[in-house]
Parts: sequence; C-alpha cells; structure tokens
Amino acid sequence: DGGITQSPKYLFRKEGQNVTLSCEQNLNHDAMYWYRQDPGQGLRLIYYSQIVNDFQKGDIAEGYSVSREKKESFPLTVTSAQKNPTAFYLCASSAGSGPAYEQYFGPGTRLTVT
Amino acid sequence: GIQVEQSPPDLILQEGANSTLRCNFSDSVNNLQWFHQNPWGQLINLFYIPSGTKQNGRLSATTVATERYSLLYISSSQTTDSGVYFCAAPSGSRLTFGEGTQLTVNP
Repeated sequence: DGGITQSPKYLFRKEGQNVTLSCEQNLNHDAMYWYRQDPGQGLRLIYYSQIVNDFQKGDIAEGYSVSREKKESFPLTVTSAQKNPTAFYLCASSAGSGPAYEQYFGPGTRLTVT
Repeated sequence: GIQVEQSPPDLILQEGANSTLRCNFSDSVNNLQWFHQNPWGQLINLFYIPSGTKQNGRLSATTVATERYSLLYISSSQTTDSGVYFCAAPSGSRLTFGEGTQLTVNP
C-alpha cells in the first residue's frame, strides 16, 4: 500500500531536549512538507522540500530543522530553541511542487514537551 | 500571501440534515483542496477542485474561482461526518489553510 507514515504517534520529551520526528513516503513524490497544528487552529507550514537535498523555510521555521537526503524521507527536528514545541505535527507530500499538485497527509505525531 | 477564511466556525446538526460550508480566498487560485480531519487527527482528502463542481457520494464541492469562493455540501449527514473541515488554497509551492469548520452531527 502506498502512503505516508509518521512515527511515533505520540512523543513525550523534557524541555531542553532536541527531538526528531520521522516522515516516510512510498508514493514516489518529489515534494514533502511539514505542518504544525495547535488546538482549534488550522495548519501552518514549517518547512518544505521540492527535491532531494533542497528545502525552504515556511512561515514558522524558527526552532526547527530538516534534512532531505533521500526522496522518501523528510525528518523534522524540533530543537530546544523552539519556545512552544507542544503541538500536533503533520507531514505531507505531493507529486510535484506548485499549485497543480494535490497534497496528501500522514497520520501525524503529537508532541508533548514538559 | 493568500488569505483563506472559512465559515461558519462551528456547526451542530441532527443526523440526516444537510449543510453548506463556505471557503473564501483573497486571490485567484488554480485549485482548492477540501479536507476532513477525523477525531484522531488524520487529514482525509475530500476534493481537489480548480473550478466547477465535483461529487463524491453525499458530499459535493463547488468552486467559483472568479468570485473567490468554494462551497462544500454535505447531504443526509451522519455522525461519522463529525470533525473539522478545512479548505486550503495554493500560494506558490505551499498550501494556505483556513481555520476550519468544526462540525458536530448528533444522533
């Protein structure tokens, strides 16, 4: 089955620790995205990558870092510099970048930092 | 960047009722996506609709790009339709999401 997987589903960390969220897709999509969702709100773009070894900041990139070493993988690191890291994180992918391509989402990771 | 507004923010229905959700966007778009976020947080793709009308079972969507709005119709609602409905418009390589409509369908 083709799809997007995110792991783990729930993640708990202590303040001051970096944490890496996994996102893998087997759809052969070129573009991948990371969004953050806070309770009762819409999704906000953190980072996106149009091709391997390239990525761009979204609207709320401060305190986050990404890498895109393989087409199918786009891990997100939440660093200790992120002031309010507790949130729901969603990864998405699309066949290409730009308005002509439909985005598909993974199941998400709920991160709680105490 | 593009602004996306959804209305109403909350909607409560009895099972079997029909509803219309609205999405306004501030600039012309090449397409629009509608999603349903289920209680577990998963975003389900409902429609990818540049313009015109599409139907999928009890759901249909209409986008009028020239007037910068899209409508999502839910007919004969069921309790499993509950959740948050988002529309999202492309802006360059990214999607901009509205704040969503929280739909509750009571039995």
